Amino acid sequence: DTAVSQTPKYLVTQMGNDKSIKCEQNLGHDTMYWYKQDSKKFLKIMFSYNNKELIINETVPNRFSPKSPDKAHLNLHINSLELGDSAVYFCASSQDGYSGANVLTFGAGSRLTVL
Amino acid sequence: DAKTTQPPSMDCAEGRAANLPCNHSTISGNEYVYWYRQIHSQGPQYIIHGLKNNETNEMASLIITEDRKSSTLILPHATLRDTAVYYCIVRLYNNNDMRFGAGTRLTVKP
Repeated sequence: DTAVSQTPKYLVTQMGNDKSIKCEQNLGHDTMYWYKQDSKKFLKIMFSYNNKELIINETVPNRFSPKSPDKAHLNLHINSLELGDSAVYFCASSQDGYSGANVLTFGAGSRLTVL
Repeated sequence: DAKTTQPPSMDCAEGRAANLPCNHSTISGNEYVYWYRQIHSQGPQYIIHGLKNNETNEMASLIITEDRKSSTLILPHATLRDTAVYYCIVRLYNNNDMRFGAGTRLTVKP
């Protein structure tokens, strides 16, 4: 069983389209994250949810909207895709970040290519 | 949060110990040192963390200097599969995010 699973693994789409990336974790963790890794390989945090509540929202265009239907899922919806959105997006989870060591478990990544 | 400084790249011979340094001279007393690595095209992987005592697990050892201003991650017997980018991160124990820098690209050579 994959601990943190993301779908799709690859996504190729046209500029202006709307797309979603799904993430599920079966670790029973309370906190989930989205990170973006661009072509220069810098890994940047975008969002963090704790028990379905948004707790970190970095300076990300509001075209990006995370949605957490329950604490095991954190989906990323992107509207009006732009060329600069091309990147690998990683989902991660951790046990309650407020009370324990912050050890993140990452998914395998979703490579988004905007043409 | 304390910033970290790592060399951009290092080489290591297969079977030898890989010693990856990290400077964190502005670390505060309640901040931990975390190490993660990212093997090409995969998600980052947690390795180890510590506060001030040396730590060891099945993957690596973490040596933190007495003044806590620097640390070294040790892979005792590096294999080709240890080729990856290694990230040193300093965070509060219960801080809710990990912020990754540029890391050190370790290349293990046969």
